Amino acid sequence: GAGVSQSPRYKVAKRGQDVALRCDPISGHVSLFWYQQALGQGPEFLTYFQNEAQLDKSGLPSDRFFAERPEGSVSTLKIQRTQQEDSAVYLCASSSERTGGTQYFGPGTRLTVL
Amino acid sequence: KNEVEQSPQNLTAQEGEFITINCSYSVGISALHWLQQHPGGGIVSLFMLSSGKKKHGRLIATINIQEKHSSLHITASHPRDSAVYICAVRMKTSYDKVIFGPGTSLSVIP
Repeated sequence: GAGVSQSPRYKVAKRGQDVALRCDPISGHVSLFWYQQALGQGPEFLTYFQNEAQLDKSGLPSDRFFAERPEGSVSTLKIQRTQQEDSAVYLCASSSERTGGTQYFGPGTRLTVL
Repeated sequence: KNEVEQSPQNLTAQEGEFITINCSYSVGISALHWLQQHPGGGIVSLFMLSSGKKKHGRLIATINIQEKHSSLHITASHPRDSAVYICAVRMKTSYDKVIFGPGTSLSVIP
């Protein structure tokens, strides 16, 4: 596709369940970012990949959060033992030198933890 | 103190009004982005600025690097402009780390 895609678009989990959120960046985009957006707030940085290398994971809120991008394209954000405070929209964005730093965002995955 | 702040937090305007949304930041940046987010929708980049002023249709964005301040103006506002407008700054790091403001929720009433 032409844009960044994310799946699922909506996810409802029971507290304690593990979830996996997928991001398909724009083909050829080297940089991939994950953000968490709570209701009524701006996105908060979670982690950054350059190709398959996770260069910054300083925004991950706890060790229950794990992200990977093993082949430098598709990325998965995994949340273990979900808590209610994990409820948010998880946004993925990609960019490359060609885009001059402009990040292109996916539609997000809305996670609701009951 | 948040590194990126926006004002106002919420804004309601009558159709046709001139609208200004402000952004101030406290960190060194390489560029500033204005983004638009519709309810339930994705984020769309409107502008990327590193100096001066840019115009696209009814939207104008300005930045003052010395004062660490940017404004987004909407002329002749229309109900379809109703959205959340987010200011985001690209930090001077080894990669394009971006910090987002809290957003300004705009509602334009017919």
